[in-house]
Amino acid sequence: AQKITQTQPGMFVQEKEAVTLDCTYDTSDPSYGLFWYKQPSSGEMIFLIYQGSYDQQNATEGRYSLNFQKARKSANLVISASQLGDSAMYFCAMRVPMYSGGGADGLTFGKGTHLIIQP
Amino acid sequence: ETGVTQTPRHLVMGMTNKKSLKCEQHLGHNAMYWYKQSAKKPLELMFVYNFKEQTENNSVPSRFSPECPNSSHLFLHLHTLQPEDSALYLCASSQETGGTEQYFGPGTRLTVT
Repeated sequence: AQKITQTQPGMFVQEKEAVTLDCTYDTSDPSYGLFWYKQPSSGEMIFLIYQGSYDQQNATEGRYSLNFQKARKSANLVISASQLGDSAMYFCAMRVPMYSGGGADGLTFGKGTHLIIQP
Repeated sequence: ETGVTQTPRHLVMGMTNKKSLKCEQHLGHNAMYWYKQSAKKPLELMFVYNFKEQTENNSVPSRFSPECPNSSHLFLHLHTLQPEDSALYLCASSQETGGTEQYFGPGTRLTVT
């Protein structure tokens, strides 16, 4: 079974500082994808960044980067130069094939980290 | 038109009522999903549809009944719910295979009284 662990229930960070949100995962499947989503108070889940298990390089997307350490089963999100608008819940998620036939895959989510950026 | 829309945004229903949640995606995707987000719990995958066929039912009680008439629309029919079913219900869509991300709708906040 797949499992995502986010050990930081909440974080307070000063504006303009870099932030690292922790995520560890567990799966026995060699093929998987790792995602980070942001959920503001409005409720909508916003996709931030994706890392495939076979990707050689760490994913980057603007101010977001994913620190992928496969041997440690770790996929931490790094936000550079944090902004007040970054305050939200952040979820790490993993996609593995739901059945051997392939096709659409559901995501397994962690419990999330509540990030608050202070001015 | 936003990518994934959900209606209604808020719903209050009694335990004996029957209601339906609607999701529509305008992204040309072939896979759609229902997730449940309860307070202090991780999002839970409920159902997966790929090309209108249900490919996953994640041990969801029968009082939740999904319907996918075409690749753009997904419904969740609700009947005889329990108060513990109160949650945010999120719909998502993706390309059918190896999609790099799922796009989520804004969710329906359901309260069962």
